[in-house]
Amino acid sequence: QSALTQPRSVSGSPGQSVTISCTGTSSDVGAYNYVSWYQQHPGKAPKLMIYDVTKRPSGVPDRFSGSKSGNTASLTISGLQAEDEADYYCCSYAGSYIVVFGGGTKLTVL
Amino acid sequence: EVQLVQSGAEVKKPGESLKISCKGSGDTFTNYWIGWVRQMPGKGLEWMGIISPADSDIRYSPSFQGQVTFSADKSISTAYLQWSSLKASDTAMYYCARLGDGYNYGYWGQGTLVTVSS
Repeated sequence: QSALTQPRSVSGSPGQSVTISCTGTSSDVGAYNYVSWYQQHPGKAPKLMIYDVTKRPSGVPDRFSGSKSGNTASLTISGLQAEDEADYYCCSYAGSYIVVFGGGTKLTVL
Repeated sequence: EVQLVQSGAEVKKPGESLKISCKGSGDTFTNYWIGWVRQMPGKGLEWMGIISPADSDIRYSPSFQGQVTFSADKSISTAYLQWSSLKASDTAMYYCARLGDGYNYGYWGQGTLVTVSS
């Protein structure tokens, strides 16, 4: 399995919205509604932000939302805040308990 | 509260062996698969594979098959990741994480930094 494709970086000003894309194939993103998104601050463990394409774990602000169309999933962060600056990784199930991560996107809040 | 606590940082020489651990608490350890994720310095997350502590069923990523070994001891709620002969390229942070419904990882350990250098 190859890594999912994410933009290396995105940026936005406080209060704005940004969208991070995650492109896979018909064997992973396109095949299953098991896309998740993780936030990682420097020196910290990843944190689950979105699962099953659109669901938010308890405690994750509703500013974070997920979607999918075909082989591409997206994470949208609205009302950007300074603390949202982090690396974001998408992840998709690819069958037989195997998952594949995206290469990661660095979000800069200007 | 569900917690995964990993063993401390390690500094090893090439060719040495190593076994790091991930101890679960706050829930029934055998009810969930445990995954291992590598993060090389300044790089992204790489899924290494997964183990079921209930019966030690294992799935390795093709990229890591034959390079590492997973094991688990359900009596002490602990999963392990081991190497028989480390290489400098094994230098990385290694995370364990608990697999939830839908193949997502909702709980993560704090990470174990492995440094391999002569």
